[in-house]
Amino acid sequence: GQNIDQPTEMTATEGAIVQINCTYQTSGFNGLFWYQQHAGEAPTFLSYNVLDGLEEKGRFSSFLSRSKGYSYLLLKELQMKDSASYLCAVRDGDYKLSFGAGTTVTVRA
Amino acid sequence: IAGITQAPTSQILAAGRRMTLRCTQDMRHNAMYWYRQDLGLGLRLIHYSNTAGTTGKGEVPDGYSVSRANTDDFPLTLASAVPSQTSVYFCASSEGTANEQFFGPGTRLTVL
Repeated sequence: GQNIDQPTEMTATEGAIVQINCTYQTSGFNGLFWYQQHAGEAPTFLSYNVLDGLEEKGRFSSFLSRSKGYSYLLLKELQMKDSASYLCAVRDGDYKLSFGAGTTVTVRA
Repeated sequence: IAGITQAPTSQILAAGRRMTLRCTQDMRHNAMYWYRQDLGLGLRLIHYSNTAGTTGKGEVPDGYSVSRANTDDFPLTLASAVPSQTSVYFCASSEGTANEQFFGPGTRLTVL
């Protein structure tokens, strides 16, 4: 099976920066995804990393280190609408996605 | 453009009953997936289909079956529901197995 760990909860202030870490151990690796999920809604795709390094997309950036089995999602200039769960998911050697339990981010005014 | 639709939105079901959750996508995606989401456990893959006519087992397939008769539809059947199958069920699709997955709105199922 796969082992994907991420913090359960994080709280930050509007306008601040928050970094959500994800560590993983999988049988084979074909990329790492980050999804955002608002309460009661479906997950939506945020970012994808398959090579080491940083991928930037507006206020969101995602980093991957394959040798360390580590990724983070960086959320900058936090807005109230960023309050959500953030899911780290790893695609294994069989192209199946395994998800972490998710990190609930609460943005306070 | 609807994307992925799921039906019903929610359902309360007596234990032992048979139930089919419906999933339809209009993006002509080849791959489709069923997940269940439980508090503290994240999304877990139940069954998947890489292309029409083929299906495979995921992490938690017991008690569930699927079929993929065409590209658009991927129903999930609980032959005899049990309370441990109380969960939120998400259907997803992707253009291919190497692409990002798009999720439907989910079905909240309660088995009593």
